[in-house]
Amino acid sequence: GEDVEQSLFLSVREGDSSVINCTYTDSSSTYLYWYKQEPGAGLQLLTYIFSNMDMKQDQRLTVLLNKKDKHLSLRIADTQTGDSAIYFCAESIIGSSNTGKLIFGQGTTLQVKP
Amino acid sequence: DADVTQTPRNRITKTGKRIMLECSQTKGHDRMYWYRQDPGLGLRLIYYSFDVKDINKGEISDGYSVSRQAQAKFSLSLESAIPNQTALYFCATSGLAAYNEQFFGPGTRLTVL
Repeated sequence: GEDVEQSLFLSVREGDSSVINCTYTDSSSTYLYWYKQEPGAGLQLLTYIFSNMDMKQDQRLTVLLNKKDKHLSLRIADTQTGDSAIYFCAESIIGSSNTGKLIFGQGTTLQVKP
Repeated sequence: DADVTQTPRNRITKTGKRIMLECSQTKGHDRMYWYRQDPGLGLRLIYYSFDVKDINKGEISDGYSVSRQAQAKFSLSLESAIPNQTALYFCATSGLAAYNEQFFGPGTRLTVL
């Protein structure tokens, strides 16, 4: 079945780059996403990438997609303390019923030290 | 005002009690979802609905039921709560954009003693 895997924790120093990795199993995914969850809040879409792309850049965020290895990464440049949060990788499953369901990874807690 | 609201935000209850969690949205979206979040497990889909007449089970629907009272309202019920239903519950909505962004409520923290 569909599965999305992430490491659970990453700690970096303020100003460094952070790289959060994710692997997924469903090769039919059309979109892959990164959601951010700040303490006490719901998830918010940070960025997404269409499956026919291999890179997307948005200010400090760079998303890399390796379809062959089913690997997705999120790089945050110049990481700030405000980036401390849980980051979820997700894939969109488009089945015959076009459900648009999302399968989420376990979430990576990013700790940014001053 | 928030686009997706959930009530209550926190609830402590006892084993065997019936509990209802409510979700309302002002985004005008047809699609609504209920997830639970457990540490180390991420978010798992409980139920989803594409319109008022459409209800579908997700991957962990056992022990839960839902009601879509209107386009804007989607409630989740635990008929007889048990301790392993202690979790953070999220409601989400999505529109028809091709990339299917989901918009999440702030969550309800439920503790079953």
